Amino acid sequence: GEDVEQSLFLSVREGDSSVINCTYTDSSSTYLYWYKQEPGAGLQLLTYIFSNMDMKQDQRLTVLLNKKDKHLSLRIADTQTGDSAIYFCAETNDYKLSFGAGTTVTVRA
Amino acid sequence: DVKVTQSSRYLVKRTGEKVFLECVQDMDHENMFWYRQDPGLGLRLIYFSYDVKMKEKGDIPEGYSVSREKKERFSLILESASTNQTSMYLCASAGTENEKLFFGSGTQLSVL
Repeated sequence: GEDVEQSLFLSVREGDSSVINCTYTDSSSTYLYWYKQEPGAGLQLLTYIFSNMDMKQDQRLTVLLNKKDKHLSLRIADTQTGDSAIYFCAETNDYKLSFGAGTTVTVRA
Repeated sequence: DVKVTQSSRYLVKRTGEKVFLECVQDMDHENMFWYRQDPGLGLRLIYFSYDVKMKEKGDIPEGYSVSREKKERFSLILESASTNQTSMYLCASAGTENEKLFFGSGTQLSVL
């Protein structure tokens, strides 16, 4: 999706924190989402944040939203091998979702 | 447990063939979607439906059509498959608020 941009690759050492960044364009989006896709599987909703929030924490996941800069990030604390996947950022756009190209996260020992 | 089921995991078809991709959801969702996923491009919306017999074009509808005769089933049709339609196809459904999309496991279609 050209309206949602994210870097394509991230390599992180096991135990470190991962930070995946995303920029979006539709300032009227009600929700912003992070989806996870493991190899050979469909997308699974990881977490989402209301547009009137700045931060949401859910166990090892922290979502930060900067509405002024239209910037969304996902931080994964204590990254594990099971976190290796493609992570998609998405925004609501006229009740449809627009996805970024996905960030492939590789966790190395 | 919620479920979106796509009928085939892998499909191989020849250029010019008519192809049907089927998707069924068991959550009584109003909204259903068909995306294709290509490396480096992410997910692009082909068609969606917000009710039985209703359909709306997404961002890349050319070469595709859809059918929604029953609430639980949303079919994607390639009238005459072409090699540039080789892709991973993902079906999804959502309730009225569209807060969460539930995805199927995908169908990897190869057109030779």
